[in-house]
Amino acid sequence: QKEVEQDPGPLSVPEGAIVSLNCTYSNSAFQYFMWYRQYSRKGPELLMYTYSSGNKEDGRFTAQVDKSSKYISLFIRDSQPSDSATYLCAFPGTSYGKLTFGQGTILTVHP
Amino acid sequence: GAGVSQSPSNKVTEKGKDVELRCDPISGHTALYWYRQSLGQGLEFLIYFQGNSAPDKSGLPSDRFSAERTGGSVSTLTIQRTQQEDSAVYLCASSLDHSNQPQHFGDGTRLSIL
Repeated sequence: QKEVEQDPGPLSVPEGAIVSLNCTYSNSAFQYFMWYRQYSRKGPELLMYTYSSGNKEDGRFTAQVDKSSKYISLFIRDSQPSDSATYLCAFPGTSYGKLTFGQGTILTVHP
Repeated sequence: GAGVSQSPSNKVTEKGKDVELRCDPISGHTALYWYRQSLGQGLEFLIYFQGNSAPDKSGLPSDRFSAERTGGSVSTLTIQRTQQEDSAVYLCASSLDHSNQPQHFGDGTRLSIL
């Protein structure tokens, strides 16, 4: 079993839709949770970084963590064509921050 | 510059040649990481530097891969006797220190082995 499973997609949604991206993990050592966005031919860009179970909101983005179920989600409200990218969940599993990534979900938002 | 800088952005070389990839982290960031991103394997950790030392090299796939960091800043990743399976995007990230601070990525070096 992989340490991290991410819904593979790809996802294609109309502009304005609510998008839900999800990851499950098996490693109890994961205590921090990140979401990165990666545009084509660019490096990953940090979107959200959370520690606690519950929700964290930043503009149109909400990160949700359920530690008891080992499940994290990223919601995008009022999606825009500029949100079209690959979204990666990531988990630092060591004291020095070595990241374990999900496989990524390709999202396309069409006008 | 303000972000992590990697060079070259693209590299095409013949099988069997050696290649050197460079990473210039954000100024003041003491932690530096190399990752590899390929279609089949996703994004995988290669090596971690704290200052000039590398406490974790566990992700390096073979002894053909090595990395060093000098002056607590620039890092080079060297691949000797390249093979076709080394074709991937090599990404570098840096963070303020090692205590789970957010990692900031460069745009990577796209390596193609013919």
